[in-house]
Amino acid sequence: KAGVTQTPRYLIKTRGQQVTLSCSPISGHRSVSWYQQTPGQGLQFLFEYFSETQRNKGNFPGRFSGRQFSNSRSEMNVSTLELGDSALYLCASSSMDTEAFFGQGTRLTVV
Amino acid sequence: AQSVAQPEDQVNVAEGNPLTVKCTYSVSGNPYLFWYVQYPNRGLQFLLKYITGDNLVKGSYGFEAEFNKSQTSFHLKKPSALVSDSALYFCAVRDNDFNKFYFGSGTKLNVKP
Repeated sequence: KAGVTQTPRYLIKTRGQQVTLSCSPISGHRSVSWYQQTPGQGLQFLFEYFSETQRNKGNFPGRFSGRQFSNSRSEMNVSTLELGDSALYLCASSSMDTEAFFGQGTRLTVV
Repeated sequence: AQSVAQPEDQVNVAEGNPLTVKCTYSVSGNPYLFWYVQYPNRGLQFLLKYITGDNLVKGSYGFEAEFNKSQTSFHLKKPSALVSDSALYFCAVRDNDFNKFYFGSGTKLNVKP
C-alpha cells in the first residue's frame, strides 16, 4: 500500500510569488490535513478536507488556501509569498479513528 | 479545547539506558493520544496511540507509552535506548470530531554511545 505522497519535495520561490503544493493520500483515505512546521512555531494546523469539503481551518491568513479533488488528492496554495512562509509543509491522510499518516513534506524556501 | 505539552526541549540519555519523553494533555471529552517521531528533513512517523483500553500501549521500535488519567499524562518510554533513536518526538491529541491533531512543541532525544 503506497504511503502519502507530496510533491515537490523542495521549492524555492521569490517573495510575492504564489506556490501550489500537492498531496496524494493513502488509497481509501478521504481526509487530508495540512500542517506548517517551522522551528519557531512548531507544527501548526492549516486545514482539513474531507470528501472535497473543508471541514476545519486553522488560524492562517487567507493567502493560504486549499482544495480537495474527487479522488481525495489535495492541493494547497499560498499566494503573495512572504519570507515567513518558509517552512516544511506536511500533509497527512487518515480515516476516522485512525492515526494520521504523514508525507515526507515539501520544504518551501522564500527568498 | 485540546492541547498537549512537552515540558522538555531536549532529553539526553546514554545508549542502553531507559528513556522517558514526557507529555501532558488537556482535552474535553475522551483523549485520543499519539506519539510521532521525526528524523531530519522527513515527515512524521507514527509510533503508537491510545484510544481506549489498556493504559500501557506498545508501539513500533520497542517504544511504549503509559496513559495516566489522573495525572493527564502520556509519557513515552523505552527500556533500552539506541543511538538510532535520536530524533525529534512529538506528542499529539486528536480532535474528537475531526482529523485535526494538536501537537506538542517536540522533544529532541539525544542518545549517546
